[in-house]
Amino acid sequence: DTGVSQNPRHKITKRGQNVTFRCDPISEHNRLYWYRQTLGQGPEFLTYFQNEAQLEKSRLLSDRFSAERPKGSFSTLEIQRTEQGDSAMYLCASSPLNRGSGANVLTFGAGSRLTVL
Amino acid sequence: AQSVTQFDSQVPVFEEAPVELRCNYSSSVSVYLFWYVQYPNQGLQLLLKYLSGSTLVESINGFEAEFNKSQTSFHLRKPSVHISDTAEYFCAVSDGSSGGSNYKLTFGKGTLLTVNP
Repeated sequence: DTGVSQNPRHKITKRGQNVTFRCDPISEHNRLYWYRQTLGQGPEFLTYFQNEAQLEKSRLLSDRFSAERPKGSFSTLEIQRTEQGDSAMYLCASSPLNRGSGANVLTFGAGSRLTVL
Repeated sequence: AQSVTQFDSQVPVFEEAPVELRCNYSSSVSVYLFWYVQYPNQGLQLLLKYLSGSTLVESINGFEAEFNKSQTSFHLRKPSVHISDTAEYFCAVSDGSSGGSNYKLTFGKGTLLTVNP
């Protein structure tokens, strides 16, 4: 297992374009999370999946953002009509479902950095 | 709602000096507490966690943190730092009241530890 994988690592786009990020979690992890990190800030929660079900979305996730996790495996985060304020590092994390000490331990990917010109 | 305060955005220290990175949290329920470390151009890595039991927790590379419920703190300490400890450190909290079924981490803004020779 190579951990949580995110692609692309870097994306530069022009304002108004659509972008999509992909996250491949650790294979046995049922839970998958998306966070956003801007310069000088800690990661902020965006959304969360348990298997294929999206169980919570933050108010930070405007209607231009959509996340999916078909078949409960990889996930995609799409941003439509990007704005300069969307420039950030988008982090994906996963964790196991079972109760116990492992459930609350999130394993993060290296992130996808978005720059909107 | 939960919140985390990391008072120091930057902490410069000399190699082999002791260091303390401060973290205070606010929560109306019991909590799980975490420290994550982020090296340049890398994702977040779990450094140590408090879930239950002993209030003093240690990492494999010499860091320790103590959960102080009365002061709502979880400060990170190391008696002697190395240049390789230079990184950004994030304190995070999650809801511990539901026996491990809750998941969402709330992060502080981070503290950049710079170890100088």
